[in-house]
Amino acid sequence: QVQLQQSGPGLVKPSQTLSLTCVISGDTVSSNSAAWNWIRQSPSRGLEWLGRTYYRSKWYNDYAVSVKGRIIINPETSKNQFSLQMNSVTPEDTAVYYCVRRNFGDPDAFDIWGQGTMVTVSS
Amino acid sequence: DIQMTQSPSTLSASVGDRVTITCRASQSITTWLAWYQQKPGKAPKLLIYKASNLESGVPSRFSGSGSGTEFALTISSLQSDDFATYYCQQYNIFPYNFGQGTKLDLK
Repeated sequence: QVQLQQSGPGLVKPSQTLSLTCVISGDTVSSNSAAWNWIRQSPSRGLEWLGRTYYRSKWYNDYAVSVKGRIIINPETSKNQFSLQMNSVTPEDTAVYYCVRRNFGDPDAFDIWGQGTMVTVSS
Repeated sequence: DIQMTQSPSTLSASVGDRVTITCRASQSITTWLAWYQQKPGKAPKLLIYKASNLESGVPSRFSGSGSGTEFALTISSLQSDDFATYYCQQYNIFPYNFGQGTKLDLK
């Protein structure tokens, strides 16, 4: 079955870059029937979709306006994973971050979630 | 952005009760709506997709309905495992916003 395994630091200093990785098993990052997303959750902002990467003959990205210009989501095909980089972080970016598969097959939904990584932005 | 409004924010119920949670979108999302269950310390779990389709392995006491801007999640007979927080999410138009959540607790 498809699984997503997240990794990355739990503490980031203000103004620095948050970096997380999501390793995919049971599917491929270059699948033509999936997109690979990052979603975060905090008490103040709730669940917030951040962006996605997907492959349809070439690579595409979409980002939420709220974080556009600060984040990059990159696929890494050799390792079958994708990553999130968010720069210039502030305490407002403190949240649990999830990597999530959007399946365009069956079910046609955000069906597989990583375990979550609690990231605290603090000096 | 499409705003998703859930009600109620908190719902107290007993085992065996029938409960309904509603979700309203600020504009039509046709049937591009999902429902998730989340327990403390865990990732959200997909229950319903495309408004009314039951995810594989989810008990049949869960059902979803609606289209356009009005949606509902119904649990026909609450079990002890169902006490959790429930979220709706639209995935029709970026950004794919979520509702604020409904906490279902034991009366």
